[in-house]
Amino acid sequence: AQRVTQPEKLLSVFKGAPVELKCNYSYSGSPELFWYVQYSRQRLQLLLRHISRESIKGFTADLNKGETSFHLKKPFAQEEDSAMYYCALKGGATNKLIFGTGTLLAVQP
Amino acid sequence: NAGVTQTPKFRILKIGQSMTLQCTQDMNHNYMYWYRQDPGMGLKLIYYSVGAGITDKGEVPNGYNVSRSTTEDFPLRLELAAPSQTSVYFCASITAREGAGELFFGEGSRLTVL
Repeated sequence: AQRVTQPEKLLSVFKGAPVELKCNYSYSGSPELFWYVQYSRQRLQLLLRHISRESIKGFTADLNKGETSFHLKKPFAQEEDSAMYYCALKGGATNKLIFGTGTLLAVQP
Repeated sequence: NAGVTQTPKFRILKIGQSMTLQCTQDMNHNYMYWYRQDPGMGLKLIYYSVGAGITDKGEVPNGYNVSRSTTEDFPLRLELAAPSQTSVYFCASITAREGAGELFFGEGSRLTVL
């Protein structure tokens, strides 16, 4: 079964602290993984995808097939990073995304 | 640059009423989706469509219906509203192009059923 697990509902850190948002997946084929972000009162938007291997707004995520993980990391959190983060898995030929339950990141000043 | 547009943004329904959430996109995307977002539950796929005239059920289709008469429009219908359908609904679309990754979302429609 295809599944995305985000174990933390809320992650609270202080500004300047490192951040790691956890994501584990279950998928029988070759996975394609994404992180989406929803800032307050804004629509969901793509943050990054594992294929591109980019750093966006200081965030990176590495696909670890051995651990079936795709954790999102940032070395120094900023207050403007406060948002809801969703890990997502693309499965099948219809470009459907399966989302995790989301982690609310709160960066305290 | 409209992207994905949903209406209405907010709606309060009484139990048993019906309504349609409208979704339109101007990017000529083949694939369109309806998700619902509930606290602590993430986004659940209700229905999706891979092109005009083709729709299919997602994870949580009960109580909903969709149609896709044009590429642009993908309305979601609630026939007999129930309190369990209180949620935020998101429409999204993506191109059918191989390797496409970015799902474009609407701003959401907050529905309350009392």
